[in-house]
Amino acid sequence: DIQMTQSPSSVSASVGDRVTITCRASQGIGSWLAWYQQKPGKAPNLLISAASSLQSAVPSRFSGSGSGTDFTLTISSLQPEDFATYYCQQANSFPYTFGQGTKLEIK
Amino acid sequence: EVQLVESGGGLVQPGGSLRLSCAASGFTFRSSWMSWVRQAPGKGLQWVANINQDGSEKYYVDSVKGRFTISRDNAKNSLYLQMSSLRAEDTAVYYCASFTAMVFDYWGQGTLVTVSS
Repeated sequence: DIQMTQSPSSVSASVGDRVTITCRASQGIGSWLAWYQQKPGKAPNLLISAASSLQSAVPSRFSGSGSGTDFTLTISSLQPEDFATYYCQQANSFPYTFGQGTKLEIK
Repeated sequence: EVQLVESGGGLVQPGGSLRLSCAASGFTFRSSWMSWVRQAPGKGLQWVANINQDGSEKYYVDSVKGRFTISRDNAKNSLYLQMSSLRAEDTAVYYCASFTAMVFDYWGQGTLVTVSS
């Protein structure tokens, strides 16, 4: 199975800050990487597919990059509604696996 | 508007069975791959199973193979997960999701399954 490792596991930041979350795959996955946002008690919401393709209705302050084994999710200027947990997910091969999550908290 | 509504969760004893359902609307269900993804309390996300458009292809995570069966009824726009030989470690919120271009693009609100005596 492909292991997905996110760092950091948690991060504290302020409104307006730039935040970067990284995701590393245990083997190459091309660009088969997605990012999701999950708020407490809610289902995950797809933000980015194919490593860097922003979903419609997702604000442009979110961006994704990377290929192979190393990927990043960047939020350019944090807004209050961005405080949540973020997950990466690989779809290169079964079983599809997620990172352990990065909790973004208000400083 | 895409809607996925899960039902069927609840409390079940270890070794018991449960059938989850997911009612889909707002998109062409019969043309879509579908998935189940679960989340244990306070934990991360785990993909459970996928099914293709006509139900001829099914894939499972190893931990549920032989115990869980994913199925669908395109006439009813419904997805199912039959779970048997349930274990404590199967306790989770189970989400139904559509699977498009290798991502889980739409999700239901989830249904909680608790396996406990």
